[in-house]
Amino acid sequence: KQEVTQIPAALSVPEGENLVLNCSFTDSAIYNLQWFRQDPGKGLTSLLLIQSSQREQTSGRLNASLDKSSGRSTLYIAASQPGDSATYLCAVSSTGANSKLTFGKGITLSVRP
Amino acid sequence: DAGVIQSPRHEVTEMGQEVTLRCKPISGHNSLFWYRQTMMRGLELLIYFNNNVPIDDSGMPEDRFSAKMPNASFSTLKIQPSEPRDSAVYFCASSLGSGAEQFFGPGTRLTVL
Repeated sequence: KQEVTQIPAALSVPEGENLVLNCSFTDSAIYNLQWFRQDPGKGLTSLLLIQSSQREQTSGRLNASLDKSSGRSTLYIAASQPGDSATYLCAVSSTGANSKLTFGKGITLSVRP
Repeated sequence: DAGVIQSPRHEVTEMGQEVTLRCKPISGHNSLFWYRQTMMRGLELLIYFNNNVPIDDSGMPEDRFSAKMPNASFSTLKIQPSEPRDSAVYFCASSLGSGAEQFFGPGTRLTVL
């Protein structure tokens, strides 16, 4: 059974800092990996999707990397801003025709002005 | 496109009552997912549909929960009878294929008294 872990559960950084959010998964046989952002009381917003054959994806100040063999992904946020404060969730899609997402519990990020 | 639409946004009901949550996926998407999010357990997949057919309902907690997708643009999640431990935020998501990027609705916050 796939398990996704995100540590630490919470992180507080000063504005302008570059930071890395970590995600690990137990079964390396994945189809893809997604990073989501969730604001308080809101739904999830997809940030980046990395296919199993890819090593990284970039969108603006965000860069996500994937190392399938070690069961790890990182989300890099450059020059953090207070507006980046949110919970960031990692989810992996298992292989096979009927793949589904398994989520980590998320990292709650607070960027201090 | 308006994105995934869920209703109601908030529902407060008494134990034993029937609760029906509704979801309209993004037009053209053929996969639909129902998730439940709680502080203790995080985000859990309850059931998902491909082309209106239920594929995996292993996450449905018990027989009190049922889901239907009568057509490509509408799905319901029903709880009967509801219990206080069902209190959670219920999300619906859709994608173009079960392994593709998922787009989430705003969620329904359910409180069972």
